[in-house]
Amino acid sequence: EPEVTQTPSHQVTQMGQEVILRCVPISNHLYFYWYRQILGQKVEFLVSFYNNEISEKSEIFDDQFSVERPDGSNFTLKIRSTKLEDSAMYFCATTGVFQNEQFFGPGTRLTVL
Amino acid sequence: GENVEQHPSTLSVQEGDSAVIKCTYSDSASNYFPWYKQELGKRPQLIIDIRSNVGEKKDQRIAVTLNKTAKHFSLHITETQPEDSAVYFCAASMRSSASKIIFGSGTRLSIRP
Repeated sequence: EPEVTQTPSHQVTQMGQEVILRCVPISNHLYFYWYRQILGQKVEFLVSFYNNEISEKSEIFDDQFSVERPDGSNFTLKIRSTKLEDSAMYFCATTGVFQNEQFFGPGTRLTVL
Repeated sequence: GENVEQHPSTLSVQEGDSAVIKCTYSDSASNYFPWYKQELGKRPQLIIDIRSNVGEKKDQRIAVTLNKTAKHFSLHITETQPEDSAVYFCAASMRSSASKIIFGSGTRLSIRP
C-alpha cells in the first residue's frame, strides 16, 4: 500500500537557523497539508496546498513559514528562523480528489536548541 | 473558527470493558468526523470515520455515533484489549478534499489487565 514519506525523521537545529522538512506524497494525491504536534498536545493544522498554491493557513503559519513543491514530487515546509517554540513533531498529510481521508506521513521531530 | 472539544483527557478501563470518548464541535458546516489512534511517537492512524448523513457506524469492536443537531459525536470501543491502549483523537472537517482537519485535544486510553 502506498504511503506518505517524510525526511528527516529527526532534525536538531540551533535557534535562528533555517530548516526544510520534506514530504513525498502518495503519487496520485493532489492536496497536501502540514500539521504540527507539540509534545503531549493535539495535532494542529498549519497549511493546506493545492495546485501549487496555499489554499488555507492557520494563524500559526506566519511569515517564518513557507511551503512549496519544488520538483513535482517533494512537498516542503521551510522555517526561516527557528524559535525554541517551533520544537514539535511535524506531520505531512495528503489526499486525493473526492476523498476525505488524509494520509499522514510518519512525521519529522524538530528539536530547536 | 472551528473548535473541537474532547473528553475525558484520560481514561482507564479494565480489559474486556467498554470505553467511550465524547466530542463536540462548533462549526455546523462540518460534515466529516474522523477518529485517529496515535501510539507513542507514531503518526495518527485513521480508525473510523463518519459522515453527517449517517447517525451511526460500526466496524468490529469500534462504533461511532453522531448527533448533528447537538453537534456531538462519540467513539465506543467494546471488549477492550491491551493493544487498544493509545491516545485517541476526534476530529472534524468540511467534506471536501481541500479541507483542513481540526483535532480534539486527545484522550489517553489505558487498558488495565
